Amino acid sequence: GEDVEQSLFLSVREGDSSVINCTYTDSSSTYLYWYKQEPGAGLQLLTYIFSNMDMKQDQRLTVLLNKKDKHLSLRIADTQTGDSAIYFCAETRNTDKLIFGTGTRLQVFP
Amino acid sequence: NAGVMQNPRHLVRRRGQEARLRCSPMKGHSHVYWYRQLPEEGLKFMVYLQKENIIDESGMPKERFSAEFPKEGPSILRIQQVVRGDSAAYFCASSPVSPGTDTQYFGPGTRLTVL
Repeated sequence: GEDVEQSLFLSVREGDSSVINCTYTDSSSTYLYWYKQEPGAGLQLLTYIFSNMDMKQDQRLTVLLNKKDKHLSLRIADTQTGDSAIYFCAETRNTDKLIFGTGTRLQVFP
Repeated sequence: NAGVMQNPRHLVRRRGQEARLRCSPMKGHSHVYWYRQLPEEGLKFMVYLQKENIIDESGMPKERFSAEFPKEGPSILRIQQVVRGDSAAYFCASSPVSPGTDTQYFGPGTRLTVL
């Protein structure tokens, strides 16, 4: 199947870490992505990881990939109010299209 | 280098009218993708085009929807005889080389409202 699943909501306090989780079903996924969508805006590419990697770090962002469990996570360190948005994970296989998750709405409160 | 451009940003149509959505890829990108986002949902793939060719239209509804990417000019997503269920945000993305090896960069979207 093509299901990519995420939890719908996450609420964190400013300064804490946020962890957004994603599970996918197809073990042939080649690249996995995290996109950020702010209200009324398009999608901003945050980071991506190739399927033969298990971790990637980019400033405040850490991506972990557990290929055995088909589980992807995005950790945002020192979460700020500007991080409030919807976060989508997405995968590609050996095809052309991105398969998106349902999105996780992150709310950061002071 | 300008990003992916889409216009109009907002489009209102009455049932039965036609909607034409335009997408100009990033400079140097020859691959264009269209996605649809229904309210409170994720994005769903519609169609993948290269210049003058439709490569994958597996996500396109069988009727009323068409897409093109001519040799010159933007890519066009056309919806004929719109219905209320077509109300959504339509996003275009582009990439420079073979998909799966290069990321897709998204435009700001066109929000279509059908009255």
